Amino acid sequence: QVQLQQSGPGLVEPSQTLSLTCAISGDSVSSNSAGWNWLRQSPSRGLEWLGRTYYRSKWRSEYTVSVKSRITINPDTSKNQFSLQLSSVTPEDTAVYYCARGRDGYLDYWGQGTLVTVSP
Amino acid sequence: QSVLTQPPSVSGAPGQRVAISCTGSSSNIGAGYDVHWYQQLPGTAPKVLIYGNSNRPSGVPDRFSGSKSGTSASLAITGLQAEDEADYYCHSYDSSLSGWVFGGGTKLTVL
Repeated sequence: QVQLQQSGPGLVEPSQTLSLTCAISGDSVSSNSAGWNWLRQSPSRGLEWLGRTYYRSKWRSEYTVSVKSRITINPDTSKNQFSLQLSSVTPEDTAVYYCARGRDGYLDYWGQGTLVTVSP
Repeated sequence: QSVLTQPPSVSGAPGQRVAISCTGSSSNIGAGYDVHWYQQLPGTAPKVLIYGNSNRPSGVPDRFSGSKSGTSASLAITGLQAEDEADYYCHSYDSSLSGWVFGGGTKLTVL
């Protein structure tokens, strides 16, 4: 059974960098058949896919256009986890952030969610 | 505004059938990309209900079914139960955005 455990601060100051980690058990971040995703959910923006990292002979990352200049998703093979960094945050980035495993185009396992509030 | 359009709310009495629509365009559902559906209970992460347009993961009751036609997809729930009260989201890929997109969500109320 795949489990994803999220960790990271729930409060980030404006203009700073939001950092979250998702630890994987029951699968490998280096899997050739899975992708490792970050999403967020807020009343104003709904459910929004932010991006993913995956390994297909080499590491690749894809990001949604709206945050492409501010986002980095990295794998950590030594700890079997992946991370999200979102820079220059504003109050509009306040949301519940989720990590999730993607296979065959859909998201089959999700983390528990982390409420991140952007505030001084 | 979400790329995929869902009704904000639907309702039905226990035992009845309801359907939730998901309307896209020629760059997502109409382009042949699969549609997936998720159920989100209050305070929890979404859970996949239907994948690949009409497939149910093990453990999902056969009261839930999905279909797709043209630029739209639909989630049907038969024999409504109180425990089905939740938010439902559709999900697909959009080639013009080069990324995954979601519907705005539909709140199901069991009367």
